[in-house]
Amino acid sequence: AQTVTQSQPEMSVQEAETVTLSCTYDTSESDYYLFWYKQPPSRQMILVIRQEAYKQQNATENRFSVNFQKAAKSFSLKISDSQLGDAAMYFCAYRSPLTSYNTDKLIFGTGTRLQVFP
Amino acid sequence: DAGITQSPRYKITETGRQVTLMCHQTWSHSYMFWYRQDLGHGLRLIYYSAAADITDKGEVPDGYVVSRSKTENFPLTLESATRSQTSVYFCAINRGPSYEQYFGPGTRLTVT
Repeated sequence: AQTVTQSQPEMSVQEAETVTLSCTYDTSESDYYLFWYKQPPSRQMILVIRQEAYKQQNATENRFSVNFQKAAKSFSLKISDSQLGDAAMYFCAYRSPLTSYNTDKLIFGTGTRLQVFP
Repeated sequence: DAGITQSPRYKITETGRQVTLMCHQTWSHSYMFWYRQDLGHGLRLIYYSAAADITDKGEVPDGYVVSRSKTENFPLTLESATRSQTSVYFCAINRGPSYEQYFGPGTRLTVT
């Protein structure tokens, strides 16, 4: 079974600095999807970025980018120019390939709480 | 996302009572999901539905019942609430190019 591990329960960063959140996963599948979700104090789950495993290029969305290391099964999130509004819980999630039986289930890590200091 | 609504947003109930959490989507996406969020566990899948009248268990289904008579609604029922079911419950649907999941605003349930 697939698992997702976020080994950093909490992280902190100074405003305007860069921070990297770690995520590792375990799978025997070769094609899959990875996601980062943000959960601010409002509790709403917000999709930040997605990565398809068959794509070698790392995904980027404005100040958010990932470092996808397929062989190492690592999927870290880098937040550049951190802002106070980035303070939230961040969850890494794994999804099986579309051809798999379990294609529609997301497996989540336990989350990393990010604090941003002015 | 405004297209997924959950009600109630907050609920306090007593042990042993039946409670139903509602989820409604304004689209007609086939797949809908129920998760619970607990500290130290992230989000765990309770039940999901591939279409109307098609449901299946997730990782933590015990103590919960679901139904889906209409595509847009996916209620979750706790038949006899226990304190261990105190949690935040999220409903989600699949959308987008990678079938990523989009979540409702969540329901905070407290069982006393």
